[in-house]
Formats: sequence, structure tokens, C-alpha cells
Amino acid sequence: AQKITQTQPGMFVQEKEAVTLDCTYDTSDQSYGLFWYKQPSSGEMIFLIYQGSYDEQNATEGRYSLNFQKARKSANLVISASQLGDSAMYFCAMKRGRALTFGSGTRLQVQP
Amino acid sequence: DAGVIQSPRHEVTEMGQEVTLRCKPISGHNSLFWYRQTMMRGLELLIYFNNNVPIDDSGMPEDRFSAKMPNASFSTLKIQPSEPRDSAVYFCASSRGTASSGNTIYFGEGSWLTVV
Repeated sequence: AQKITQTQPGMFVQEKEAVTLDCTYDTSDQSYGLFWYKQPSSGEMIFLIYQGSYDEQNATEGRYSLNFQKARKSANLVISASQLGDSAMYFCAMKRGRALTFGSGTRLQVQP
Repeated sequence: DAGVIQSPRHEVTEMGQEVTLRCKPISGHNSLFWYRQTMMRGLELLIYFNNNVPIDDSGMPEDRFSAKMPNASFSTLKIQPSEPRDSAVYFCASSRGTASSGNTIYFGEGSWLTVV
């Protein structure tokens, strides 16, 4: 069975600073995908970034980057230059086949 | 392009009533997913379809829940009879293509269900 662990229930960061949200996963599969989603207070799930298990380069999307350490089974999300609008829940998810399994999420609060 | 469209956005119903949630996936996507989100259990996959065929319904809580996908552009999740413990946010999501792990799953805005 695959499992996603997010050990930080809540995080605070000052505006304009960088923050790292942790995610570890457990799978015996060789081929899988790792995703991060953002859920603001309005409730929608917004796709942020994707990393494939065979990708050698860490994924980046604007201010988001994924620090992928395959041997350690970790896929941490790094948000650079935090903005007030980044305050939200962040979910790490793993995909094997078609469906996603989610972690419990980290609530990020960006302080002015 | 339009995203995944869900209706209703909010529903309050009395225990015992039938609830039907609706979803229109993104055009061209052939995989559709229903997830449920609660404080206690987080995000759980209920069922997913590929090419309108249910592939895995092992997450459906019990017989009171049923899901259908009569065509590529429409799916329903029905709860009959509803109970207070069904109160949750129900998300529909879709993706295109094969089982490649790289196909992103896009979510609708969710249906917020309250059963009183």
C-alpha cells in the first residue's frame, strides 16, 4: 500500500521569505508521480506542480519548486518569496496508475 | 477552457433524503474521480471511471452510495438515504489519457454537503 506523510500540520512564514513544506512517501513501485495541490479557504483544489519518479531534474513552476530526493522518498515543496495569497492548505499526493492518494496537508500562514 | 464543473456548490438536506451530486469533466478527459474530504479522514477516493466504466469503487463507503457515468461528459454521485455523517465536501476531478503518472488530475470546486 502507498502512503503519503506530511508531518507539519501548520507552518508560519514571513512575507517574501522562502518556506519548505515536507512530504515523504512510501511505495514499492518504480513508476509513480508526485503532486502538490493548494487549497485556499474558498475550498477549491489547485494543481501546483508535478514530479515523475524517473525525472532527473527537480520540477519548477514559477515560485514553486519540488525538492525530490528519491532515495529518501521525499518530495518537499519549496515556495520562494512568499506572498499573503499563499496562505492556504497544501497537500502532497502520489499517483500510481490513475488515482491520487493524498497526505493530511499542511496549513501555511504567510505573515506580513 | 472550462474546468471541472460541479453542482450544486452547496446543499443542506435532512437525514433520510436522497442527494444527487453532479459533475461535468473537462472535455477530452477520459478519467473521472469522485473524492470526499472531511476533517477526520482528509481526502479519500470514492470511485473512479475510465472511459465511462467504473474501475475502482472500493472507496465507496456503503450501499447507500452509488455513482454513474452515462456518458463522457456527465457523472453523478448519489446518496440514498443520506445521514449526518455524510456531511463533507465532495470533489469531482478528471484527467486525460492513459495511466501515465504524469497526467495531472484537475479538480472541480467541490460540492459542500450538510445533512441535518
